[in-house]
Amino acid sequence: GEDVEQSLFLSVREGDSSVINCTYTDSSSTYLYWYKQEPGAGLQLLTYIFSNMDMKQDQRLTVLLNKKDKHLSLRIADTQTGDSAIYFCAEVMNRDDKIIFGKGTRLHILP
Amino acid sequence: GAVVSQHPSRVICKSGTSVKIECRSLDFQATTMFWYRQFPKQSLMLMATSNEGSKATYEQGVEKDKFLINHASLTLSTLTVTSAHPEDSSFYICSGSLTQGADPYEQYFGPGTRLTVT
Repeated sequence: GEDVEQSLFLSVREGDSSVINCTYTDSSSTYLYWYKQEPGAGLQLLTYIFSNMDMKQDQRLTVLLNKKDKHLSLRIADTQTGDSAIYFCAEVMNRDDKIIFGKGTRLHILP
Repeated sequence: GAVVSQHPSRVICKSGTSVKIECRSLDFQATTMFWYRQFPKQSLMLMATSNEGSKATYEQGVEKDKFLINHASLTLSTLTVTSAHPEDSSFYICSGSLTQGADPYEQYFGPGTRLTVT
């Protein structure tokens, strides 16, 4: 079946690294995504990784994919107050398939 | 990036009435629009996919007679919740895509509409 799991809440001190984890069940996923949702705003695609990659880095963001364990993580280096948001992990099998979202992880930044 | 708006952002309606939610792509033409629903602490669930000028394709378990979707133009899609009940209370999010199909990289999401049915 299709299922994407992630913890609901993460609290991190400003300046530290945040690591948001996600597990998925469908091994045929070809795209895995991280979306960011700020209060009152729509989801924004933050970054994505193809299933044939195991790591992708984009400025402060690092995505790690362990395909064997079906585990995806998003690391935010030097976490800032502006990073406070809900982060959704998502998978899709093929270009024309629907997106399967996780429940979202609320990232709370401590001063 | 491309901007999608939704109106209203919040609506409260009485049980048994109908409510319409608009989704507009402001600076691009959305060939395909998607409607999602999100319950508290739950993931977004795709309700339906609509292509401009065609009937919407509903996901399994979504009542098409209850959730009427109209995609009359390339910049506007509407979702009408008919004969609303308290269990329809939810957060409804739309997205627009530049191309047919559901490539997530090209979906642009609206800010969502919170519907409360009393």
